[in-house]
Amino acid sequence: EIVLTQSPGTLSLSPGERATLSCRPSQSVTSTYLAWYQQKPGQAPRLLIYGASSRASAIPDRFSGSGSGTDFTLTISRLEPEDFAVYYCQHYGTPFGQGTRLEIK
Amino acid sequence: QVQLQESGPGLVKPSETLSLTCNVSGGSVNSGSYYWSWIRQPPGKGLEWIGYIYYSGSTKHSPSFKSRVTISVDTSKNQFSLKLSSVTAADTAVYFCASGPPLVGLDSWGRGTLVTVSS
Repeated sequence: EIVLTQSPGTLSLSPGERATLSCRPSQSVTSTYLAWYQQKPGQAPRLLIYGASSRASAIPDRFSGSGSGTDFTLTISRLEPEDFAVYYCQHYGTPFGQGTRLEIK
Repeated sequence: QVQLQESGPGLVKPSETLSLTCNVSGGSVNSGSYYWSWIRQPPGKGLEWIGYIYYSGSTKHSPSFKSRVTISVDTSKNQFSLKLSSVTAADTAVYFCASGPPLVGLDSWGRGTLVTVSS
C-alpha cells in the first residue's frame, strides 16, 4: 500500500509569505492521480489541485502544485488569511497523507 | 460536480454495524466517470480513506479495515452505502461521502455526519 508522508507537520507563516508543503509517496506514483485538498475547521475538504499540477475549479492562481514520482509540492505564493487551514495530499484510491497544518505566525 | 448528502444513525453501540447512506443528486451513480468514496475523520485527527465503489460494483477499500467494510450502490435510489461491522469506540468519527473521476480527484463532498460509538 502506498503511504504518503507530508512535511512539515505544522507550518507557521505570516500573511503575504510563501508556503511550501511537501508530499512524499513511499513508492513512485503516477502524477495523474495525485491531488491536494484543503480543510478548514468544521468543513468538508475542498479539492485544490489534481493531476499534481492542475488547479480545480475556482481555486485562486496563488495555489500551485508540482512534482512527480516520489516528490510532490504544494505552493501558496502569497498567503491570504483564508489560506490558514490543514492540507492533505492523496493518490486516488489510497490513504491520505497525515496532513500539514498551516497556521498564522 | 454532483451534490452529496450523508444520512444514518448518529449513535451506534459497540460490536454492532454502522450503516450510512449517501444520496446523490445532480448526477447518476451509474456514471462511468465517477468513483463513489467514503472517508472518515476521527475527532481532532486527519482524513482516513475507507474505500470506494465504481458503478460496475467493483470496490476497493483500505487494508486498515480488513473485512469489516462493505460498500454498495443502489442505482434505483441513486445512492451508495457504507457498512462497517464490529465497531468500537475507535470508529467514532465524522464520516464523509465524496466522489469524482480519478483524473480529477474528489471534487464533490458531502457535509459529513458524526457517528459516535457508545453503549
